[in-house]
Amino acid sequence: SQKIEQNSEALNIQEGKTATLTCNYTNYSPAYLQWYRQDPGRGPVFLLLIRENEKEKRKERLKVTFDTTLKQSLFHITASQPADSATYLCALGDNFNKFYFGSGTKLNVKP
Amino acid sequence: ETGVTQSPTHLIKTRGQQVTLRCSSQSGHNTVSWYQQALGQGPQFIFQYYREEENGRGNFPPRFSGLQFPNYSSELNVNALELDDSALYLCASSDRDRYKSPLHFGNGTRLTVT
Repeated sequence: SQKIEQNSEALNIQEGKTATLTCNYTNYSPAYLQWYRQDPGRGPVFLLLIRENEKEKRKERLKVTFDTTLKQSLFHITASQPADSATYLCALGDNFNKFYFGSGTKLNVKP
Repeated sequence: ETGVTQSPTHLIKTRGQQVTLRCSSQSGHNTVSWYQQALGQGPQFIFQYYREEENGRGNFPPRFSGLQFPNYSSELNVNALELDDSALYLCASSDRDRYKSPLHFGNGTRLTVT
């Protein structure tokens, strides 16, 4: 079965720096990959989508890369702010809108 | 547009009992998916309904069942509750006819089984 790995340890960075989160997967060929943000006690919120034939996608301070050869996606938040502190989840999608999530990485941005 | 709403927000049940969780999809969405999220873990796919038919299932036993209604609202039923069923249950709606539509989640139902 598919396996999706995200850094289980929390990422602690200083305000203003770039946060980089990693998502690795095996035994799967996703049609696309999405990143979600989850705050405590809330459902995940969609951030960005990248398709299998795309290398990079940007939205404001967010950037996602997708390397289907390495089976890896990187998620970057530039000029990070304390309000960016949350858990970030990657999700692999198939062509029927079914998604498989990683366990998430908690990001702490310190002022 | 109204978002995804789930009820109840919290629930405590005893092992062996049955539970029904409810979800109201975002307007215009024809697909609903249910996920189980244990503490510190990512959401695990339970199943998906598209236009009232089950359209895919994750690695969950048959005591997890669901329904989708003509107005695209949905229920998740769990029979013979076990202690390990304690988790946050998330409902997500999407428009499967819009290619690669993202999931829109509710804030979940926190189920505790004692």
